[in-house]
Amino acid sequence: KQEVTQIPAALSVPEGENLVLNCSFTDSAIYNLQWFRQDPGKGLTSLLLIQSSQREQTSGRLNASLDKSSGRSTLYIAASQPGDSATYLCAVDGGYNKLIFGAGTRLAVHP
Amino acid sequence: ETGVTQSPTHLIKTRGQQVTLRCSSQSGHNTVSWYQQALGQGPQFIFQYYREEENGRGNFPPRFSGLQFPNYSSELNVNALELDDSALYLCASSVGYEQYFGPGTRLTVT
Repeated sequence: KQEVTQIPAALSVPEGENLVLNCSFTDSAIYNLQWFRQDPGKGLTSLLLIQSSQREQTSGRLNASLDKSSGRSTLYIAASQPGDSATYLCAVDGGYNKLIFGAGTRLAVHP
Repeated sequence: ETGVTQSPTHLIKTRGQQVTLRCSSQSGHNTVSWYQQALGQGPQFIFQYYREEENGRGNFPPRFSGLQFPNYSSELNVNALELDDSALYLCASSVGYEQYFGPGTRLTVT
């Protein structure tokens, strides 16, 4: 049974810091891995999708890497801003777009 | 904006009642998935519909049921509501690998 774990559960940093959020999964047989952002009480916004054959994806200040063999992914946020404050969720797709999520990392970036 | 809408935004029901939640997907997105997100947790997969047929179910009892219609809308029905059903319910439509989530319906069961 696939399990997804995210560390840390919460993070509070001053503006401008570079951040690393971690995601691990127990079964390496995945089709892809996605990172989402969720603002309080809201839906999910897709940030990055990494196919199983890829090693990383980049979008602006965000970079996500995938090491399928070790069951790990990291989301790197450069030069954090208060607007980055949200919960970041990692999800793996084991097939047919059925996502298995971690519990998320709650990020607070203060000025 | 993902183009996926959900209604209602908030809902309060009493234990034992029944509820219907609605989702409207983008045209051409013939797969819709429903997720339950309890407070402080990640979303959990409830079930998925593809071309109006159920295409997989997570670890949820039969009192959770769904429908998908030809006009890219879908419903999640929950019978005999329990207090633990209080959560944010999210629908996601997809084409290919990309999934597009709606804003969710916050259900409170008292």
